[in-house]
Amino acid sequence: NAGVTQTPKFQVLKTGQSMTLQCAQDMNHNSMYWYRQDPGMGLRLIYYSASEGTTDKGEVPNGYNVSRLNKREFSLRLESAAPSQTSVYFCASSGVGEGWETQYFGPGTRLLVL
Amino acid sequence: KNEVEQSPQNLTAQEGEFITINCSYSVGISALHWLQQHPGGGIVSLFMLSSGKKKHGRLIATINIQEKHSSLHITASHPRDSAVYICAAAYYGGSQGNLIFGKGTKLSVKP
Repeated sequence: NAGVTQTPKFQVLKTGQSMTLQCAQDMNHNSMYWYRQDPGMGLRLIYYSASEGTTDKGEVPNGYNVSRLNKREFSLRLESAAPSQTSVYFCASSGVGEGWETQYFGPGTRLLVL
Repeated sequence: KNEVEQSPQNLTAQEGEFITINCSYSVGISALHWLQQHPGGGIVSLFMLSSGKKKHGRLIATINIQEKHSSLHITASHPRDSAVYICAAAYYGGSQGNLIFGKGTKLSVKP
């Protein structure tokens, strides 16, 4: 049981390049999320998916697209990377754990856009 | 705008001290979460509260709905408690599972 996995762990891009961040969970959760974390700011929701086949915008969706490929996988795509997208990206899924609705986080992807 | 405010931003303590981290929020939350982010970056959920108090080992979380305030206490602190502690609110009217996060409190416990 790996929980939530993310690839890659680190990535350096040049402005204008594209890339896809991959996320998978093996806990059979319906809901999955993509967050970004920037210094001095709280985690901010980019997109979420309440169930397979559905996605919705969060607080900061501009410049990103997502795909909920199946129940396990939720990918985040940057079509044309910008320096403002330099951040740490976390994927999460939610389900009942420890007796309450809990979000389980992946290890994060550190992205640097030059 | 629904917000979550944490204090203090940074906290340094000596091993063994009792620690309190505070979180305040706007009206209309359905639940308040406390999370821990390790120095390596990993994030784990500690508690979810909708009322009262919860305890897990040396960690205690309380919430006062009338005052719109929650606290996370650590008893007999230890250097391994050094981490960033984050509170997050689930607001009514928000989409399922969506949380608004505070900026975190960085705790450093010195031996």
